[in-house]
Amino acid sequence: AQKITQTQPGMFVQEKEAVTLDCTYDTSDPSYGLFWYKQPSSGEMIFLIYQGSYDQQNATEGRYSLNFQKARKSANLVISASQLGDSAMYFCAMREALMISSGSARQLTFGSGTQLTVLP
Amino acid sequence: DTGVSQNPRHKITKRGQNVTFRCDPISEHNRLYWYRQTLGQGPEFLTYFQNEAQLEKSRLLSDRFSAERPKGSFSTLEIQRTEQGDSAMYLCASSLEPTRSYNEQFFGPGTRLTVL
Repeated sequence: AQKITQTQPGMFVQEKEAVTLDCTYDTSDPSYGLFWYKQPSSGEMIFLIYQGSYDQQNATEGRYSLNFQKARKSANLVISASQLGDSAMYFCAMREALMISSGSARQLTFGSGTQLTVLP
Repeated sequence: DTGVSQNPRHKITKRGQNVTFRCDPISEHNRLYWYRQTLGQGPEFLTYFQNEAQLEKSRLLSDRFSAERPKGSFSTLEIQRTEQGDSAMYLCASSLEPTRSYNEQFFGPGTRLTVL
């Protein structure tokens, strides 16, 4: 089974509107973290926001917020007041086994991404 | 610039040739990761280093791939006898662990490999 599922290959949003990018995940680990990265056409992965599995509140970073629904295993990214510069590929990623001691890779597992286009 | 850097940014090679990529992490970061990203997909984990020790390799890393991180600073990823299926973006990331609760990985701009 896919560990990270992003069901929206492409999304369009009007400038200044809000948009939600979906992400569902699958893990049996009680301790994990969820990340969203932005990848513009230049290729660099830019960290946007993080949510820990034990965090009581939804994470927010400026115009980005994470709608974390643990029981549903979803971690949707909400971008408010979209800007033309937000047009990019967006990846949801998960890191498991946060409580395991050093030595474990705890690498990021990424979804297939959502291409967001902001329309003027 | 104090971010993660990767060289070269682009590499075009003929099938069967060897290629080597370099990654310079953020200077104080002890962990370094290599990922591969094919067109239309998210990055996939290849291997990682804790300081100079290579501690884990994914099954994606065939025998033709080798990575090193001498002295725990920069890292190199070599692909021998390249195949067309090796064409991808190779991303490097670094992190400092354990300090922050989520140990954010900082990514470099990637090396795009095209095998003809």
